[in-house]
Amino acid sequence: NAGVTQTPKFRVLKTGQSMTLLCAQDMNHEYMYWYRQDPGMGLRLIHYSVGEGTTAKGEVPDGYNVSRLKKQNFLLGLESAAPSQTSVYFCASSYSMTAQVQGNQPQHFGDGTRLSIL
Amino acid sequence: GESVGLHLPTLSVQEGDNSIINCAYSNSASDYFIWYKQESGKGPQFIIDIRSNMDKRQGQRVTVLLNKTVKHLSLQIAATQPGDSAVYFCAGTHYTGTASKLTFGTGTRLQVTL
Repeated sequence: NAGVTQTPKFRVLKTGQSMTLLCAQDMNHEYMYWYRQDPGMGLRLIHYSVGEGTTAKGEVPDGYNVSRLKKQNFLLGLESAAPSQTSVYFCASSYSMTAQVQGNQPQHFGDGTRLSIL
Repeated sequence: GESVGLHLPTLSVQEGDNSIINCAYSNSASDYFIWYKQESGKGPQFIIDIRSNMDKRQGQRVTVLLNKTVKHLSLQIAATQPGDSAVYFCAGTHYTGTASKLTFGTGTRLQVTL
C-alpha cells in the first residue's frame, strides 16, 4: 500500500530559485492538503483542495502556489524561494465529508519533503 | 484564535508502564479529534480518533478519553514498548462547510526507557 507519496524527499535551494513539490495518493481521496512543520510549532496548513481543479488557501499561503489537475496529485510550488521557507513539508489526503456516512475521517500523511533554502 | 496544545513537551516512561499523554483544545466547535504518532524522519501516522459524541474509545493498547466540559483529551498507551518512542500529536477538527479544518498541537515526545 503506497498511500501518500511525496517527492523529492530532500532538496536544497538557493534564495530566489523555484521548485515544485509533488504529492500523489492512491486512496481515491477527494481532499488533499499541504502543511509545513517547523520546530516548536504544530503543523500549519498552507493550501488545500476539496477536489480536482479546486484549491483554497490555508493558514500560511503566502509565497506558495498549488495545483490539482488530477484527483490523485497535488502540487506545491515555490516561485521564489526564501530562507523563511526552510521547513519540512507534508502532504495529506482524506475522504470528503459527503463520501462517508460516518462524517469526519482522518487525514493520511506522506513522509515529508525536507527543504532547505540557503 | 484556535489552539490545540499538549501539556508536556517530553514524557519519559519505563518499558512496560502505561503512558498518558494529555492535550487541551480551545475551539468548542471541534467535533472530531485525532491522535497521530510521528517517528523521526516520518510523517504523522494515524493512531486513533474520537468523535465529540463519545467520551472514550479503545484501540489496540491505546485508549483516548475526551472531556468536552474542560476541553481536554488524553491518549493512554498500555504496556509501553520501545517502539512507542515518538512524538505524539493531538489534532482537533471541525467541518467548515467546504473542508475539515484541522488544528494540530505541538506534540509530546515520548521516551521509553529500558
